[in-house]
Amino acid sequence: KAGVTQTPRYLIKTRGQQVTLSCSPISGHRSVSWYQQTPGQGLQFLFEYFSETQRNKGNFPGRFSGRQFSNSRSEMNVSTLELGDSALYLCASSPDGNSEKLFFGSGTQLSVL
Amino acid sequence: GESVGLHLPTLSVQEGDNSIINCAYSNSASDYFIWYKQESGKGPQFIIDIRSNMDKRQGQRVTVLLNKTVKHLSLQIAATQPGDSAVYFCAENREGSQGNLIFGKGTKLSVKP
Repeated sequence: KAGVTQTPRYLIKTRGQQVTLSCSPISGHRSVSWYQQTPGQGLQFLFEYFSETQRNKGNFPGRFSGRQFSNSRSEMNVSTLELGDSALYLCASSPDGNSEKLFFGSGTQLSVL
Repeated sequence: GESVGLHLPTLSVQEGDNSIINCAYSNSASDYFIWYKQESGKGPQFIIDIRSNMDKRQGQRVTVLLNKTVKHLSLQIAATQPGDSAVYFCAENREGSQGNLIFGKGTKLSVKP
């Protein structure tokens, strides 16, 4: 069974631009969560999608958004990029997202210049 | 505030020795705990989990201990190998969390040959 796949692996953007990251969950998993990882703040929850609906959201500004498609694939978008958005963005999937382990992809390393 | 934290940011052990990584959590409502291993350039990889109705769980070379009285979690790695060198995170999950794992800051384990 293929694991969680994230594309692209690396991205370099400039301030003010917007970016879209993609995630394909493990086959059969319907819950997809997104996390931001930085050296200073560690792993922080962005949001979770299940059956194309955002069920849960962390404490991030509205510039961070996402969506999920009918095949459970998910995208997240960050608009008006800031230097502080430079981070590793991790996607994780699980069967239903409740009280169970999450399976993580290798992440997208975003650098904002 | 509610958080999961780790007692030590770094841990250095000799190859073949046993390693113990500790974690404290603050929310007594947490009912599920997970240990992840993250190697450089990769996403967190599931190691072992434990539910709050248990106090010990064993895997292959790893054991997780849960002490609910003092809200303490530990990961024991037997016969530590160079391939165990990584950052280890504990994470807590609550019923209805919908993809939101709360991660500790991580402990970097270095194994000396």
